[in-house]
Amino acid sequence: EAGVVQSPRYKIIEKKQPVAFWCNPISGHNTLYWYRQNLGQGPELLIRYENEEAVDDSQLPKDRFSAERLKGVDSTLKIQPAELGDSAVYLCASRRAYNEQFFGPGTRLTVL
Amino acid sequence: QQQVKQSPQSLIVQKGGISIINCAYENTAFDYFPWYQQFPGKGPALLIAIRPDVSEKKEGRFTISFNKSAKQFSLHIMDSQPGDSATYFCAASKYQGAQKLVFGQGTRLTINP
Repeated sequence: EAGVVQSPRYKIIEKKQPVAFWCNPISGHNTLYWYRQNLGQGPELLIRYENEEAVDDSQLPKDRFSAERLKGVDSTLKIQPAELGDSAVYLCASRRAYNEQFFGPGTRLTVL
Repeated sequence: QQQVKQSPQSLIVQKGGISIINCAYENTAFDYFPWYQQFPGKGPALLIAIRPDVSEKKEGRFTISFNKSAKQFSLHIMDSQPGDSATYFCAASKYQGAQKLVFGQGTRLTINP
């Protein structure tokens, strides 16, 4: 089966610009996670979806970050406006109940 | 109480040697302890995982040792190979429900030929 797909793989933007990341989870995986991985660190959870519902967004900086998962499949994570400190790799993962999480390759964001 | 502490930050091992990476957790509610392997430009991939009902789990050259009383677990890579050179992350969570993984800081492993 196909893995988790993310695009774009790389993005370079100026600060204060908006940016969006897209994730297509593995078919049949109803749980979707967005993580942020800073350089040299482990991933940190930003938001978790169960189907189309955001059930855990306590770590999402809501003043500038937003996410959606329409129809419980694809998901988009948006940052507006981006700040220098947002430079990181944004990882998407998906999971079927009682199974492991599968990660996508990530989007590397550089904010100049 | 959500932290997972991982050591060492970096490790260099000769080919054929044993690589050992250690992690400690604080939350006693955690009952799922996976190890992830990450190559440059790739997302983390599950390598091996353990539940606290056993003290050791082995899959090929990879072994997890788990010490519930000390709240520690470790990854042993036997007969380390250059292809094992990657960054390794331990993580912990509750197994049921959300599986909100808390990751360690990572260990960059280099296997010298």
